[in-house]
Amino acid sequence: NAGVMQNPRHLVRRRGQEARLRCSPMKGHSHVYWYRQLPEEGLKFMVYLQKENIIDESGMPKERFSAEFPKEGPSILRIQQVVRGDSAAYFCASSPQASGAPYEQYFGPGTRLTVT
Amino acid sequence: SQQGEEDPQALSIQEGENATMNCSYKTSINNLQWYRQNSGRGLVHLILIRSNEREKHSGRLRVTLDTSKKSSSLLITASRAADTASYFCATDADAGGTSYGKLTFGQGTILTVHP
Repeated sequence: NAGVMQNPRHLVRRRGQEARLRCSPMKGHSHVYWYRQLPEEGLKFMVYLQKENIIDESGMPKERFSAEFPKEGPSILRIQQVVRGDSAAYFCASSPQASGAPYEQYFGPGTRLTVT
Repeated sequence: SQQGEEDPQALSIQEGENATMNCSYKTSINNLQWYRQNSGRGLVHLILIRSNEREKHSGRLRVTLDTSKKSSSLLITASRAADTASYFCATDADAGGTSYGKLTFGQGTILTVHP
């Protein structure tokens, strides 16, 4: 049973370009979370999605950032017109169920975005 | 200050010693989780403790939770060089008695275990 997959692992973009980060949750998991980690800091929640729905995007900047989790295929975190401050590690996590009993979130290896 | 603050920020010990890390938080929680992150890697889930639990064990790990003080501690006994990593606590806020799944992480404790 493969774990959470993220690609690419490393992504370098010039200022103004677009970054697309992909996350494939664990098999059977329908809940996906995106977190951002700046250097020397903990993870910060960005967005929580279920299939075809954004449940909570309170941690995601209003501009330039968007996320989706289509019926088929991976979840995508898209950053348009990247700036240097977007340089960070972006982690995706998945769980089988969010509400009710607490479920462990399984994290992917992350995508390290560097904006030059 | 933020939810889920760890203390100390960095801890350096010798192999065989115990390591204790503390975490404080601000709001009511449904559960609290501890994660480990090796340098440049993703997070590995260590242990989850629910708000109605006071202590939990898993191998060499012991977690305590004091909801009256809004604090938790992670104890690693008989530490090994392989335990060297960053350790984060993460709280799952109490959303009307159910788990919402949106984790709030602290800034972490960097643990170095010298062989």
